[in-house]
Amino acid sequence: EIVMTQSPATLSVSPGDRATLSCRASQSISSSLAWYQHKPGQAPRLLIYGASTRATGIPARFSGSGSGTEFTLTISRLQSEDFAVYYCQQYYHWFSFGGGTKVDIK
Amino acid sequence: EVQLVQSGGGLVQPGGSLRLSCAASGFTVSTNSITWVRQAPGKRLEWVSVIYSDGTTYFADSVKGRFTVSKDNSKNTLFLRMNSLRAEDTAVYYCARVLSSTRRWFDPWGQGTLVTVSS
Repeated sequence: EIVMTQSPATLSVSPGDRATLSCRASQSISSSLAWYQHKPGQAPRLLIYGASTRATGIPARFSGSGSGTEFTLTISRLQSEDFAVYYCQQYYHWFSFGGGTKVDIK
Repeated sequence: EVQLVQSGGGLVQPGGSLRLSCAASGFTVSTNSITWVRQAPGKRLEWVSVIYSDGTTYFADSVKGRFTVSKDNSKNTLFLRMNSLRAEDTAVYYCARVLSSTRRWFDPWGQGTLVTVSS
């Protein structure tokens, strides 16, 4: 089983600032990584796939990077609608998710 | 618009059964792959099952032998049948489309439905 570890668990950021979220895989997953945004009571939303490709309709302020075991989601200039929980997911071998990073208002 | 709308769920006693529905619009379930993911209270998302477009199904070890999936192509709907339910199956269940067997990210997701297993 591939274990995904996200850090930090909570990130307090001011609107307009940059947020950097990390995700680590317990073994190499190449670029088989997706990022999702999840708000309470809503369906999770695909942001990034293939570690760095933005999904359709996702603003350019969201960017993903990394390969192998270390990955990063960067949200530049946070807007009010970006405060949510973010999950990484590997699909290299079956599927597994990180524990999530909650981005809240500082 | 590509969308998944879920229904079913609720309170069920341990050992009981429940069926969740996942109705698709904007695409055809018969030619697409669908997955189920759940999130227990305070826990991370957990993959449950996937049915690929060729009909091949896979289940997580935690539900294997108890959960099944089926499709009603006439209703463009996917079902998750859950038997022998346990307290640890309590979770919000999500369905999502898997882009393909080689592009295995999930988009879109359904809104989720709560399953509570308790006496």
